[in-house]
Formats: sequence, structure tokens, C-alpha cells
Amino acid sequence: ETGVTQTPRHLVMGMTNKKSLKCEQHLGHNAMYWYKQSAKKPLELMFVYNFKEQTENNSVPSRFSPECPNSSHLFLHLHTLQPEDSALYLCASSQESAASNEKLFFGSGTQLSVL
Amino acid sequence: AQKITQTQPGMFVQEKEAVTLDCTYDTSDQSYGLFWYKQPSSGEMIFLIYQGSYDEQNATEGRYSLNFQKARKSANLVISASQLGDSAMYFCAMRGKAGTALIFGKGTTLSVSS
Repeated sequence: ETGVTQTPRHLVMGMTNKKSLKCEQHLGHNAMYWYKQSAKKPLELMFVYNFKEQTENNSVPSRFSPECPNSSHLFLHLHTLQPEDSALYLCASSQESAASNEKLFFGSGTQLSVL
Repeated sequence: AQKITQTQPGMFVQEKEAVTLDCTYDTSDQSYGLFWYKQPSSGEMIFLIYQGSYDEQNATEGRYSLNFQKARKSANLVISASQLGDSAMYFCAMRGKAGTALIFGKGTTLSVSS
């Protein structure tokens, strides 16, 4: 079993749909992250949660709504997305979010296509 | 502002050869960490190696080593004895002072041929 599991692996949705991405980590970490990876662009940090509290929102549009019910689970709720939101969405976790030497463990991502 | 620059969109190397992937960074923080990740076609980001700004020795992890030149603000990844399985996207990343996020460069695609 991998340390960070993301479901679904692939998702196709229309602009009026509502869907959710799920991330679960089995590493006992306290911090979880959402990153967006678009073609030919660096990974963009979206949200950071530390001990279930959101500590960073990187100016993400409100059509993306994160939820962190506990330190092991992270969701990204999607509604009324745009075609330019099509990307690979990566979840990551770390022991905690503050230290400069803290490495992140990533899931395999959800490849999202918005039609 | 912090920034990571990877100037090589793609690199090609033959099996068993060594390859260097370039990374330069910009930060005003005195304490920071530098990371390299590998992303195969499966999508998962795999941690390879870490270098702290105060570490005097270059980091090494098996076939991976990090050529850290602090004055030049560069943190190049060296892969020795390339293997076909090394074909992937490689990302350089940095985290600055406590509480700041891990930021990534645009990546370099490495292709290893037999």
C-alpha cells in the first residue's frame, strides 16, 4: 500500500458538474497539500493544511473548495470548473509544514479533464 | 520572492553514462532546503535527494548526488551510471524559512537510451 493514495486516477467532468477528489495518507503525517500541475508550467501550490487547519490558500478560485476532516484525509471539492482547470492534481503530505528540511510525499495524482 | 529555474527542457543520455541536470535558485532566506524529485509517466512525484543550505558536504543518495554551489545559487543533480528506468521528468524544488511552501521549477525531461 502506497503512502499517499489519491482517487480517482482520472476524472472527466462537465463545467456544470460537482465532483470531489480524495486523498488519504498512511504515513502518520500532520500536514497535507494540494498542488496543481498544468502542462509546461511549474507545480502550483493550492492549499496547505497543518493539523487539520488550513494554513495557506494560494489565491485559488472559490470553485475549488478543500476539506480536511482529519490529518489522514484531504478532499478537493470541484464545482462549475472551467476548461483551463484541466490538469493533474497532486496531493502530498509531510510530517509538518514548517521546517525547511521537511520533504513531501506525493500521491500519483488525479488527471482532471473539464469539457 | 523565491524562484527555481531549470533551463534544460530535455536531456538525452545513453545508458551507463552520467548526466547533470541544472538548477539555479533565488532566495533571500539564510536557511533553506533544496530538493530533487522524479516524476515518471505514472505521475507520482518521487523524492530523490535533499540539501540543506548549511550543509557543508554535497548530499549523496546512491547514484544521485547534488552539486551544491551556494555562492552561485546552484543545486545541480548528478545521476551516475544512467539506467533506462531513469527516464522521467525531474524537478528541482526549494523551501525557504519556516512556514513557507515548497516551490518547484518547470522540470527537465530526461530520456535514457540503450
